[in-house]
Amino acid sequence: NAGVTQTPKFRVLKTGQSMTLLCAQDMNHEYMYWYRQDPGMGLRLIHYSVGEGTTAKGEVPDGYNVSRLKKQNFLLGLESAAPSQTSVYFCASRQGQGEVNEQFFGPGTRLTVL
Amino acid sequence: GQNIDQPTEMTATEGAIVQINCTYQTSGFNGLFWYQQHAGEAPTFLSYNVLDGLEEKGRFSSFLSRSKGYSYLLLKELQMKDSASYLCAVTDSNYQLIWGAGTKLIIKP
Repeated sequence: NAGVTQTPKFRVLKTGQSMTLLCAQDMNHEYMYWYRQDPGMGLRLIHYSVGEGTTAKGEVPDGYNVSRLKKQNFLLGLESAAPSQTSVYFCASRQGQGEVNEQFFGPGTRLTVL
Repeated sequence: GQNIDQPTEMTATEGAIVQINCTYQTSGFNGLFWYQQHAGEAPTFLSYNVLDGLEEKGRFSSFLSRSKGYSYLLLKELQMKDSASYLCAVTDSNYQLIWGAGTKLIIKP
């Protein structure tokens, strides 16, 4: 099992450009999450999904959109990138509804917006 | 508001014991997680506590006091590979994880 994978691993964008980050998991997990991690701050939730075809806003959703057309994939889109979106982005997944179980993380995408 | 506090950085000596504290104030509580994150890598799960008391797992132990809103992670027989950030996270009433900023642990020979 590959677990949680993310593409790309690194990306440099110019202000105003768009891009899509792809997350895939092969553990048949229901829940998937997108976080950003900035120096000196905890992981902050951008958007999440509790199942195929569903998405919900997290703590910092502005400037991002997501889609979960297939259970195994969760896409994060930046329509018009801004320097404030320079960050490390992590995708995570977990199993279960209402239960508490650990999240499994992908390796991260390091994004720089110039 | 929801808040999780942990020290920013700690230093310890190889072979010693270190305790990393975490205090929290959240809307509801459905358990507390500790994750380890090496520089440039993803967080990985270490432990989960939902009841008061100590959970031991090899060299690592985690303690929880729900009445005090307090947890600690205890690392024994420190090794150089334990140099990492340790993240405390609480599951709130909506089953969302609220994350602390992490404690960077530096191990010296």
